[in-house]
Amino acid sequence: AQSVTQLDSQVPVFEEAPVELRCNYSSSVSVYLFWYVQYPNQGLQLLLKYLSGSTLVKGINGFEAEFNKSQTSFHLRKPSVHISDTAEYFCAVSLSTNDYKLSFGAGTTVTVRA
Amino acid sequence: GAGVSQSPRYKVAKRGQDVALRCDPISGHVSLFWYQQALGQGPEFLTYFQNEAQLDKSGLPSDRFFAERPEGSVSTLKIQRTQQEDSAVYLCASSLTAGGPDTQYFGPGTRLTVL
Repeated sequence: AQSVTQLDSQVPVFEEAPVELRCNYSSSVSVYLFWYVQYPNQGLQLLLKYLSGSTLVKGINGFEAEFNKSQTSFHLRKPSVHISDTAEYFCAVSLSTNDYKLSFGAGTTVTVRA
Repeated sequence: GAGVSQSPRYKVAKRGQDVALRCDPISGHVSLFWYQQALGQGPEFLTYFQNEAQLDKSGLPSDRFFAERPEGSVSTLKIQRTQQEDSAVYLCASSLTAGGPDTQYFGPGTRLTVL
């Protein structure tokens, strides 16, 4: 079985400051990793995903994440946030042995202040 | 193009009522997933369809929950005799193929409140 831990439930950050959202997973087999964003009253939108290859993955809206197999982590970063990045962010994993259904973390709420 | 749509967006039910939640996936998408998102939590898997076949229903919390996708496109999640603990946002997602880590495209969800 796999599980996903998002270490921070709330992250307040000032506009134009960097942000890092932490995600750790546990799995005995290879995983595929995803970050989704959920804006208020909207559905989940994919930010980026790691399937294989380069461990540094770039996504939409200036976000990037790094897959670290030894630390079983997939932390999300953005060097300079905007007010519009205020949202909830979810880390998720899927397995080939599980029909690729997603297992999500509990989410991190990012609040960007001017 | 059109994304995943869900209806109704909001549903209020009295305890004991039956409800039906509809999902219209992206046209041509083979895989369809249902997730339940409780307040303050991440989504949790309920069930998975590949075309019209329900291949995994391990996440359905009780036999009061039933899902179908009879023609391999639109799907309905039915909850019988609703209970207060069923209150949550129900999310539907579809992906283009089966058998791979395709991007899942999510609908806006149906917020169910059971009084």
